Amino acid sequence: QKEVEQDPGPLSVPEGAIVSLNCTYSNSAFQYFMWYRQYSRKGPELLMYTYSSGNKEDGRFTAQVDKSSKYISLFIRDSQPSDSATYLCAMSEVDSSYKLIFGSGTRLLVRP
Amino acid sequence: EADIYQTPRYLVIGTGKKITLECSQTMGHDKMYWYQQDPGMELHLIHYSYGVNSTEKGDLSSESTVSRIRTEHFPLTLESARPSHTSQYLCASSEIWASGTNTGELFFGEGSRLTVL
Repeated sequence: QKEVEQDPGPLSVPEGAIVSLNCTYSNSAFQYFMWYRQYSRKGPELLMYTYSSGNKEDGRFTAQVDKSSKYISLFIRDSQPSDSATYLCAMSEVDSSYKLIFGSGTRLLVRP
Repeated sequence: EADIYQTPRYLVIGTGKKITLECSQTMGHDKMYWYQQDPGMELHLIHYSYGVNSTEKGDLSSESTVSRIRTEHFPLTLESARPSHTSQYLCASSEIWASGTNTGELFFGEGSRLTVL
């Protein structure tokens, strides 16, 4: 069983929609949670970071961590065609924070 | 914009050849990484480095080797390429590791896509 599960999509939504991307995980020791965005033929780039539980908001993006359910989410409000990319969740333990465990990514397409 | 560069971007090579994938960063980061990424699959850590003259293997078994003679340079070498090595290889660097409010952000290169015939 994978440590991190992520729905591969693709997820296709109209411009302006609210998008919800999710990951589940099995390792209760994970404390650092990230979302990376990867455009086609590019390397991933950090979008959001959350330490332990809670919510974090940055513009149109909100990251949520529910450690009791081992579930993290990324919400995108007012989605734009430029948001079309693959979104990767990643997480790590405190004692081995160099070792990020990535989900397989969800491909998002925002239609104009 | 991240200053980390990988060459070549694309490489098609025959079985048995030796290849080196180059990775350079100009940010002065001590920590560098190599990840392997197949389509629709997770990124897997294959090598990482704490700093000059330190290299460690990641979780995913790999027949590749790395070296870190200079801070800015972290090449990956395959002595004898095989079709099973066909994949995308992503190099990354970070200033620190994640710790509390420090994100430990990884800065990735654009990747080297290797095809072994």
